[in-house]
Amino acid sequence: GAVVSQHPSRVICKSGTSVKIECRSLDFQATTMFWYRQFPKQSLMLMATSNEGSKATYEQGVEKDKFLINHASLTLSTLTVTSAHPEDSSFYICSEKRGADNNEQFFGPGTRLTVL
Amino acid sequence: LAKTTQPISMDSYEGQEVNITCSHNNIATNDYITWYQQFPSQGPRFIIQGYKTKVTNEVASLFIPADRKSSTLSLPRVSLSDTAVYYCLVVSGGYNKLIFGAGTRLAVHP
Repeated sequence: GAVVSQHPSRVICKSGTSVKIECRSLDFQATTMFWYRQFPKQSLMLMATSNEGSKATYEQGVEKDKFLINHASLTLSTLTVTSAHPEDSSFYICSEKRGADNNEQFFGPGTRLTVL
Repeated sequence: LAKTTQPISMDSYEGQEVNITCSHNNIATNDYITWYQQFPSQGPRFIIQGYKTKVTNEVASLFIPADRKSSTLSLPRVSLSDTAVYYCLVVSGGYNKLIFGAGTRLAVHP
């Protein structure tokens, strides 16, 4: 069964609004979670590493003030797309890493964001 | 992180064995080779991981030659449901993030 959930699965919003996406670890206390973005027919692009209890680490080129990440508990990380614009329309996917020696990541089902 | 190169796309038919080769010439001593599968509008799913020689699980086999500069994912007797994008990644031991390449889009035909 699923070990990582995302909510919502789909969201449509107007340009200029903010959208929050939740990523939940269902059976594991994840100190580290990751956020990816994927445009149609393209690969996943890592946006940031979400660390429980501390600030997220953003990849080069990703605006931290536009993509707010909060990892307030070991089972929940949230990504807020602030002042969304049509170019932010994409598939957002989170994942969790389990253990320092386990190289397998578990991915959520993704959230399809459409900004009108 | 070592860069990977794999074919953009492949076609196969139901019941055939599919082999997808990935090049990773700059792989480091502590790096592992990991493969993920992604269906449309879903998150990727871990398939298999290996360090050297051969690894087999219920889904696939992974062949890694002695020099570890390449690896081959083998899918036995594919079905239509194996149509997906397959990503080869090189992951450092104790890594902190995954970097996805372009992947191989596999289409399985009836």
